[in-house]
Amino acid sequence: DVKVTQSSRYLVKRTGEKVFLECVQDMDHENMFWYRQDPGLGLRLIYFSYDVKMKEKGDIPEGYSVSREKKERFSLILESASTNQTSMYLCASSLQSSTDTQYFGPGTRLTVL
Amino acid sequence: AQRVTQPEKLLSVFKGAPVELKCNYSYSGSPELFWYVQYSRQRLQLLLRHISRESIKGFTADLNKGETSFHLKKPFAQEEDSAMYYCALRGTASKLTFGTGTRLQVTL
Repeated sequence: DVKVTQSSRYLVKRTGEKVFLECVQDMDHENMFWYRQDPGLGLRLIYFSYDVKMKEKGDIPEGYSVSREKKERFSLILESASTNQTSMYLCASSLQSSTDTQYFGPGTRLTVL
Repeated sequence: AQRVTQPEKLLSVFKGAPVELKCNYSYSGSPELFWYVQYSRQRLQLLLRHISRESIKGFTADLNKGETSFHLKKPFAQEEDSAMYYCALRGTASKLTFGTGTRLQVTL
């Protein structure tokens, strides 16, 4: 069974703080993704990675960066958190090919005050 | 560019009534379409994909390339079907584009 875990379920940070969201998968998946989920906007792709140290911008990368130093771990970084980054953040992973299913983590609800 | 449209934010039906969740897409190539579901306090999970042509939990979805649609259907709604449903399209590589979601509410 694929397991995708995220470091925190709930996180509260202040404007301007640097925020790290961690995601770990245990199934040796090549691909990993970060989305944000907002009511009325659905899921929007922030960044994704096809391999270690590889990253690609998604649809809304502004204000975010990512790091993938190890295959199983994909980190999302908010360099200077702002209130409009208050959201639910979902991590996902998939095996390799373009036909493979994406498996999602439980999500981190981030509130920026 | 690839785009997915789910026109209904909320769909409320009675138990036992038919359900149709609408999904339209825009993509110039040959798309791969999915439905994902998120039950209350659970993680988002795949419900079905068009290439499998299968029925999951009584739900089916047919890809209509002429109408660029991938509507999700179930003949008789159950209470446990209440959830948030997202239609998604895979066009470029492994990247998924999601719709804005439809909340299905099944009432007695």
